[in-house]
Amino acid sequence: GAVVSQHPSRVICKSGTSVKIECRSLDFQATTMFWYRQFPKQSLMLMATSNEGSKATYEQGVEKDKFLINHASLTLSTLTVTSAHPEDSSFYICSASGGKNTEAFFGQGTRLTVV
Amino acid sequence: GEDVEQSLFLSVREGDSSVINCTYTDSSSTYLYWYKQEPGAGLQLLTYIFSNMDMKQDQRLTVLLNKKDKHLSLRIADTQTGDSAIYFCAEGLGGGSYIPTFGRGTSLIVHP
Repeated sequence: GAVVSQHPSRVICKSGTSVKIECRSLDFQATTMFWYRQFPKQSLMLMATSNEGSKATYEQGVEKDKFLINHASLTLSTLTVTSAHPEDSSFYICSASGGKNTEAFFGQGTRLTVV
Repeated sequence: GEDVEQSLFLSVREGDSSVINCTYTDSSSTYLYWYKQEPGAGLQLLTYIFSNMDMKQDQRLTVLLNKKDKHLSLRIADTQTGDSAIYFCAEGLGGGSYIPTFGRGTSLIVHP
């Protein structure tokens, strides 16, 4: 299957700082990328959907000024957690789909810990 | 209730078969998926089935779909310790605007 690379896999940051997470599709053009958040022992929660070259569509309850999403190219989307707080600590996963793919391919996830 | 429901835990002995069940509510779903998530990792698509199919087999994996009851199951034959992971059921319409709805995941524990 197609490969989606997410970086970094783990990050620890201080409260109040910003963290950027990258999601890359390595061998296909991702017209659509999705960002999820996973709480312990819970399912994935869709945060936002981004289409290349346009603004992301955020799910209800997700603060767009706090979780900045950029999808500037067909192979890269970034999620920036601004002014991070301990409650933002979570596992963030991206997925990408595009072209004739009938499923989305997931990155390996990023474990964010805010101290 | 939730759109996609699955039991949270399943414990089996190595070599036995595992059956993970899932129910969903959206009758318009075109694709039903099973994902595997190993500790600290992202999701890996194991298999998927079209809604007009009843069964799909792929090596040790067998997916059964009862569309009338909106019930999906994943059977893993000869379960190994390496199969220990969280298994997510998901349903969706597929296509380029793929946004699946996930269950909460079933944690499969395989013990010797």
